[in-house]
Parts: sequence; structure tokens; C-alpha cells
Amino acid sequence: AQSVAQPEDQVNVAEGNPLTVKCTYSVSGNPYLFWYVQYPNRGLQFLLKYITGDNLVKGSYGFEAEFNKSQTSFHLKKPSALVSDSALYFCAVRDDTDKLIFGTGTRLQVFP
Amino acid sequence: DGGITQSPKYLFRKEGQNVTLSCEQNLNHDAMYWYRQDPGQGLRLIYYSQIVNDFQKGDIAEGYSVSREKKESFPLTVTSAQKNPTAFYLCASIDPGVSPEAFFGQGTRLTVV
Repeated sequence: AQSVAQPEDQVNVAEGNPLTVKCTYSVSGNPYLFWYVQYPNRGLQFLLKYITGDNLVKGSYGFEAEFNKSQTSFHLKKPSALVSDSALYFCAVRDDTDKLIFGTGTRLQVFP
Repeated sequence: DGGITQSPKYLFRKEGQNVTLSCEQNLNHDAMYWYRQDPGQGLRLIYYSQIVNDFQKGDIAEGYSVSREKKESFPLTVTSAQKNPTAFYLCASIDPGVSPEAFFGQGTRLTVV
């Protein structure tokens, strides 16, 4: 069965430091992988996606993610965190039946 | 302006009543989705539809119903059979043939009073 795991409920990082938000997945076939961000009481905003090709994908607001097929992971990264990056981040996977499943979310807190 | 519109933004329901949440998109997307969001549980899939007049149950379909009579509309009915309907509901759409990422509405917060 298709699933997504985000093992950390919260990640704390100081402004200017690199950040990583972890995601692992399980899906049959080739996955479509996504990261989204959510601000309070709002819908989700798309950050980046992996479909095929280069394992390092770049997205909005300086975020990037690394796809690792052997570890079935798709970790979100940013070289230098900003206070304004503080939000709720979701990893998602879509299979070839168009079923789109999300993880439980990781709250990123960036401290000044 | 292209996008997904969910209405209303806030909705109050008495116990035992059915209520319908609206989701309309003008993006010409084929696939549409409904999710429920509870604190600490992320987004859980209720129903999704890949094409007009067809839909599939997600992981938590019990107590909910949907219809897809038009491409642009995918309303969700929360029935009295749903034991704990208070939550934030999100609608999304995808055009799988063009781009795989989902576009989301701004959500409806449903409270049972």
C-alpha cells in the first residue's frame, strides 16, 4: 500500500543554518514525489516535485530536495534558513492511479 | 483568475445534520480530491475523482459522500454518519496529463455545535 512517513513532528533550526526535513515513502511503481508548505488556516502551496531525472530537484524559495531510490527517501533541504520559512511542511506521493497521499507533516521553526 | 474555490470558509453544523462543502475549479483539471486535516494527523484522503461521473474512496470515506457531475465541481457531503466531523477540509485538483502537482483551495473549517 502507498504510504508516506515524516518521522519528525517538529524541526528547530537557527536562522542562517541549513535545514533538512525528512520524508520516506512506499509506493508500487515509479513515484511522483512532492513537497508542499502550509501557513496557518490556509491551503497548501506547492514547493517542488520529483518525476524523473536528476535526483536533486530545486523548487520555490530556495528549497531543494534529494531523491534517493535505494533508501526510498525524498528529504527537503535549504542551505540557509529564514525565519519566514517557519511553517508546516508536507511530503506527498502519487502513484500511477492518481491517488495522492500525504505525510503527517513536519512543523519547521526557525529561530532568529 | 484561475484557481480552486472552496466555500464557505467557515461552516457550523448541528449534530445529526448533513452539510455540503463546495469545491469549484476553473483550471480544466480532470482529477479532484478531498482531504481532511486534523492536528497531528496530516492530510487524510476522503475521496478522489479522476474523471467526470467517476470517483474512488480514499482512506477515510465512511460518513462522507461526493458527486462529480461536472468537470469543474466536486462537492463533499458530510453526513450524520460521520461521528467526528469537526475538522479542516481541503480540496485539490490535478491535470495529470500536463503537470503532476496538485493545486489546493483555501479550505473550509467545519465545526459541529
